[in-house]
Amino acid sequence: ETGVTQTPRHLVMGMTNKKSLKCEQHLGHNAMYWYKQSAKKPLELMFVYNFKEQTENNSVPSRFSPECPNSSHLFLHLHTLQPEDSALYLCASSQTGTTGGANVLTFGAGSRLTVL
Amino acid sequence: QKEVEQNSGPLSVPEGAIASLNCTYSDRGSQSFFWYRQYSGKSPELIMSIYSNGDKEDGRFTAQLNKASQYVSLLIRDSQPSDSATYLCAVTDSNYQLIWGAGTKLIIKP
Repeated sequence: ETGVTQTPRHLVMGMTNKKSLKCEQHLGHNAMYWYKQSAKKPLELMFVYNFKEQTENNSVPSRFSPECPNSSHLFLHLHTLQPEDSALYLCASSQTGTTGGANVLTFGAGSRLTVL
Repeated sequence: QKEVEQNSGPLSVPEGAIASLNCTYSDRGSQSFFWYRQYSGKSPELIMSIYSNGDKEDGRFTAQLNKASQYVSLLIRDSQPSDSATYLCAVTDSNYQLIWGAGTKLIIKP
């Protein structure tokens, strides 16, 4: 496996379900990110982890719960979601989480989430 | 509110012509500027980065940065149908956080 892998690629869930998105990076990067991408909107940063410590939480509703057990793995736990949460959820990684060229992100293929 | 603005398009360009994509940003303290390409149904991938005023060329791609006017552009020479995609502009703000534009959809017509 190379790069950043995300599973599942597609997920359909009801508003009362609990599910998780998984991301794994094989690049030796130190920072991992969750982004939400909705049609015709800019990418929305949700969470940032540097060396598996959360450094950013952009006012994300508590129905989204991240977990970063180590620098290579990132999860997004989902529960009691709303239909407006339907979107493409992108995981990304970078060498570090702050300065200059360290903002060069490598993205996974994304998880397309549909909430019914 | 720090913003990055892009024309959503679609921008339609004939094959072989030059495609010109523009991006403006609001934070004068921005230091790093990126262009990502996103094919339909795929994830964004980095194609150009630029950090200082002027032009930076990489193959058929040229990024242009003008910090005084707060814009960054991407030129694609000899456009190919495979260049059809959405191009995302991203800028680091004065806190080194990435701010994203909503993207410009580019269509190269054979």
